[in-house]
Amino acid sequence: GEDVEQSLFLSVREGDSSVINCTYTDSSSTYLYWYKQEPGAGLQLLTYIFSNMDMKQDQRLTVLLNKKDKHLSLRIADTQTGDSAIYFCAEIPNYGGSQGNLIFGKGTKLSVKP
Amino acid sequence: DTGVSQDPRHKITKRGQNVTFRCDPISEHNRLYWYRQTLGQGPEFLTYFQNEAQLEKSRLLSDRFSAERPKGSFSTLEIQRTEQGDSAMYLCASRTLAGTAIEVFGPGTRLTVL
Repeated sequence: GEDVEQSLFLSVREGDSSVINCTYTDSSSTYLYWYKQEPGAGLQLLTYIFSNMDMKQDQRLTVLLNKKDKHLSLRIADTQTGDSAIYFCAEIPNYGGSQGNLIFGKGTKLSVKP
Repeated sequence: DTGVSQDPRHKITKRGQNVTFRCDPISEHNRLYWYRQTLGQGPEFLTYFQNEAQLEKSRLLSDRFSAERPKGSFSTLEIQRTEQGDSAMYLCASRTLAGTAIEVFGPGTRLTVL
């Protein structure tokens, strides 16, 4: 496909795990990213994964990468109400071997219920 | 240096007026990017600079838009003869060319065209 695709909404209860999924476009993308955006704010980089890795763990965050299927996921363990935000998957397509701009999905709105 | 800053944070203007936004990147970052984000969408690439050179422009960047980075430090984005469809959040990001390709975003400028 031509677009980075994500499901638009996810609702979980506080303390549960959240899993946000993404399908990206370019199998040769070197880095894949997860950004978080709170209402009215800019984007905050949460984590990224290099394309030669299958998994990356950073405290409560686990990123899984399936290059064959161009699938990326973000798992948030012990989800808290402060995790409520929009989460964007992004890639830098490796067109012609040069690195340019980020391509974003539409974002997944995570709602955490107490 | 505490990150990427943008000014103003909010701008309300009438259709047909010109507006200019400013971005101050992280000082050692060579690359500076402009993105536009409309409601319910992910950021979309507009243009980027490497030092003072504007290297790429998206088809989203109509003739009414112009961006500059005259000394390779701060950048300005000007929109002439604004239209209601220009209402969006304008995000600036910067990164260094060395090491991991991590873009750091500013808080954005929210433009409302009446």
